[in-house]
Amino acid sequence: DVKVTQSSRYLVKRTGEKVFLECVQDMDHENMFWYRQDPGLGLRLIYFSYDVKMKEKGDIPEGYSVSREKKERFSLILESASTNQTSMYLCASSLGGTGPNYGYTFGSGTRLTVV
Amino acid sequence: GQSLEQPSEVTAVEGAIVQINCTYQTSGFYGLSWYQQHDGGAPTFLSYNALDGLEETGRFSSFLSRSDSYGYLLLQELQMKDSASYFCAVHASGGSYIPTFGRGTSLIVHP
Repeated sequence: DVKVTQSSRYLVKRTGEKVFLECVQDMDHENMFWYRQDPGLGLRLIYFSYDVKMKEKGDIPEGYSVSREKKERFSLILESASTNQTSMYLCASSLGGTGPNYGYTFGSGTRLTVV
Repeated sequence: GQSLEQPSEVTAVEGAIVQINCTYQTSGFYGLSWYQQHDGGAPTFLSYNALDGLEETGRFSSFLSRSDSYGYLLLQELQMKDSASYFCAVHASGGSYIPTFGRGTSLIVHP
C-alpha cells in the first residue's frame, strides 16, 4: 500500500513563526499536493507539484510556499504563521494523469494551531 | 472555476440504503471522484466516474450523468462503520485535472 507520512500529527506554533510541514510518500508518485481542511469548507488546494523542483499554486496559496527537492518529499512552509492558518493540513500524492487508478492517497494530516 | 453542491448531512439506519448526491458546475469536465473520511482520519479514495452510468464496488456504487452535471454515491447494507464524511470531487481540464472537492456530506448511521 502507498504510504503518505506527515511528520507531525499536532503542532502548536506562535504567530510570526516560520513553520515547516513535511510530507513523504514511498511509492514513487509523480504528483504531490497540499490541502487545508476547515469545517464546512471541505478540502482546499494550497500548492501542488508534478515533479522535483516544480511547484504550482492552488486555490489558496497566499501565506504559503512549498519545496520539492526530492521526488518523495514535499514540504509546506508558512513563512510567518498567523492565527487564520490554524487548520488541518493534508498532504496527498498520486500517479500522473487522471482516471480510476489515479485516486489520491492522503496522509493522516497535521493539525496546526497558531496562537 | 468549479463548484460542487452536496448535502451537509444525511442520516440513515443500519442495513438501509442511502444515496449522497453531488451536483457540479465546471468547464472541461473530465470525471467525478468520491472519498470517504472518518473522524480524525485521512480521506480515502472510493471511486471515479468518467462516463455516464453506474460503477459498483462491493456495497458502494457511484453514478454519473454528464448531461445533468450530477452524480451520486450509493451505499447499501449500511453498517455503523460507514458513519463518516463523504466528499465528491470534480476533475476538469480548467483545473489541470486536479480534483476540486465539495464541502462534504456527514453520514450518520444509527443502529
